[in-house]
Amino acid sequence: NAGVTQTPKFQVLKTGQSMTLQCAQDMNHEYMSWYRQDPGMGLRLIHYSVGAGITDQGEVPNGYNVSRSTTEDFPLRLLSAAPSQTSVYFCASSYFPGPNTEAFFGQGTRLTVV
Amino acid sequence: TQLLEQSPQFLSIQEGENLTVYCNSSSVFSSLQWYRQEPGEGPVLLVTVVTGGEVKKLKRLTFQFGDARKDSSLHITAAQPGDTGLYLCAGGASNFGNEKLTFGTGTRLTIIP
Repeated sequence: NAGVTQTPKFQVLKTGQSMTLQCAQDMNHEYMSWYRQDPGMGLRLIHYSVGAGITDQGEVPNGYNVSRSTTEDFPLRLLSAAPSQTSVYFCASSYFPGPNTEAFFGQGTRLTVV
Repeated sequence: TQLLEQSPQFLSIQEGENLTVYCNSSSVFSSLQWYRQEPGEGPVLLVTVVTGGEVKKLKRLTFQFGDARKDSSLHITAAQPGDTGLYLCAGGASNFGNEKLTFGTGTRLTIIP
């Protein structure tokens, strides 16, 4: 059972380039989300989805787009990379929200924008 | 925006010692989770508490949710090197559980053998 799979694990981009971070889960979870992790700031929610075709913004959505065409996949697209987007990105999934729902995380993508 | 402050930010202690880390907010949460994250990995859930005043134990780890559901603590007894990691608390949104989890700033714990 693979759980949540993120690709790539590492990426270096030049300012202005675009790219897509991939996230796939095989647990049939309805809820998926993207976070970024920066030193001393914990995890901050970028975008989330409560099911295929439904997405919404989190705390820090600017500069990122998402789509959810299937239950399994939730890609995160950087439109025009900026150095401020240098971070570690985590995708997570869980069953439809509830107070005891566990979030399962991928291994992360470490992105550097130069 | 709901904020969760964790303290201390860094903690380095000797194996066998006890420690407590704190997670505080001015907001009320419907649930509070604790995760542990190891280098190069994503966070992994340790426990969820949902009732004010609730105490849960996981071997040498004791988790408590504040009576007002605004704060939480994690106490580790007789710390071991395997406890080393980044500890994150996360509060569930008041109406929807963890639909919008708010994560704390993290406590980086190092246990010295």
